[in-house]
Amino acid sequence: AQSVTQPDIHITVSEGASLELRCNYSYGATPYLFWYVQSPGQGLQLLLKYFSGDTLVQGIKGFEAEFKRSQSSFNLRKPSVHWSDAAEYFCAVGYNFNKFYFGSGTKLNVKP
Amino acid sequence: SQTIHQWPATLVQPVGSPLSLECTVEGTSNPNLYWYRQAAGRGLQLLFYSVGIGQISSEVPQNLSASRPQDRQFILSSKKLLLSDSGFYLCAWSSPGQGHGYTFGSGTRLTVV
Repeated sequence: AQSVTQPDIHITVSEGASLELRCNYSYGATPYLFWYVQSPGQGLQLLLKYFSGDTLVQGIKGFEAEFKRSQSSFNLRKPSVHWSDAAEYFCAVGYNFNKFYFGSGTKLNVKP
Repeated sequence: SQTIHQWPATLVQPVGSPLSLECTVEGTSNPNLYWYRQAAGRGLQLLFYSVGIGQISSEVPQNLSASRPQDRQFILSSKKLLLSDSGFYLCAWSSPGQGHGYTFGSGTRLTVV
């Protein structure tokens, strides 16, 4: 069965520090990969996506993610975190265009 | 441009009462539509998805049901709510056959008391 794992439930970083959020998936084929962000009480906003090609993808708000096939990972990164980045981040995996599965999320806290 | 509307934003319902949450999409045709539930401290659980009018796929058996009476309308229902139905319900749409991912509604916070 397909699964998406975000091993870090909570992460705290200082403002200006770098950030990496982990995402691993299990499936035999290369899936479609996404990262979403959710502010409290809000819906989810798409940050970036990967389908094929260059394994390093750029997204909105200065985020990027790298697909590593050998590690079945799609980690989200940002070189310098801003206080407004505090939110919950979800990795999602799809194996066709009709249905996607989400990880359990990582809550990011940013210290001033 | 495409927009997705979901209502109500918050809802408090007694146990055993019925439920109806509505979601509509504008600016596109024949979208794929989805209902997700997000329980406290948990990720998003796919409840139902639909690739066309009257076509509903259920991911998790439970006392909820979904219907798609019109192309851009998706309704989540229950005849009798349980305490465990409390959570944050999100509607989403995507373009069929295209990998743009989902566009989510703003969610409904349901509290069953």
